[in-house]
Amino acid sequence: AQTVTQSQPEMSVQEAETVTLSCTYDTSESDYYLFWYKQPPSRQMILVIRQEAYKQQNATENRFSVNFQKAAKSFSLKISDSQLGDAAMYFCAYSPPPDDKIIFGKGTRLHILP
Amino acid sequence: EAGVAQSPRYKIIEKRQSVAFWCNPISGHATLYWYQQILGQGPKLLIQFQNNGVVDDSQLPKDRFSAERLKGVDSTLKIQPAKLEDSAVYLCASSFGVGTPYNEQFFGPGTRLTVL
Repeated sequence: AQTVTQSQPEMSVQEAETVTLSCTYDTSESDYYLFWYKQPPSRQMILVIRQEAYKQQNATENRFSVNFQKAAKSFSLKISDSQLGDAAMYFCAYSPPPDDKIIFGKGTRLHILP
Repeated sequence: EAGVAQSPRYKIIEKRQSVAFWCNPISGHATLYWYQQILGQGPKLLIQFQNNGVVDDSQLPKDRFSAERLKGVDSTLKIQPAKLEDSAVYLCASSFGVGTPYNEQFFGPGTRLTVL
């Protein structure tokens, strides 16, 4: 079965510091997508960053970057220069083509300390 | 561009009552998804529509949950009768369609259901 595991239920980081959120997944597929979604309190979920499994280069979106280790089935998210607006639940997610279903992890709640 | 709309935002009902949620996807999006997000967990897919046809409803409790997407645009998810364990946030998402590059899903604000 395809599963996504986030082992850190909660994390805290000082404003302007860097934090890394961990994620591992289990699949027998060779081609798939990985995502990090952000869900702020009482606000809707938005896509932060995505990674295609066939690409070796790690994806980057401004202050957000990933460390994708395909052999280890690991997909961590690094947030640099943390801001108060980064406080949210972060979900790691996996999607195998072609049906585009998304399987979510349980999430990591990130607190930003001023 | 208008986002995914959902209503109501909050609903409180007694167990064994019925409830319905409505979702209007982003214009032009062929695929619509309903997720159930129980407190402390990630969203779980309940049903996926491609236009007005069902792609996947394998995790929909069909004895009490039903969903439809008439005319391939907006959609309604119904629970009848509700149980205590149905308390959750129900998220609707939409995307351009299966097979399009990335097929990014855009999420609505959700409906928070409390069953007493």
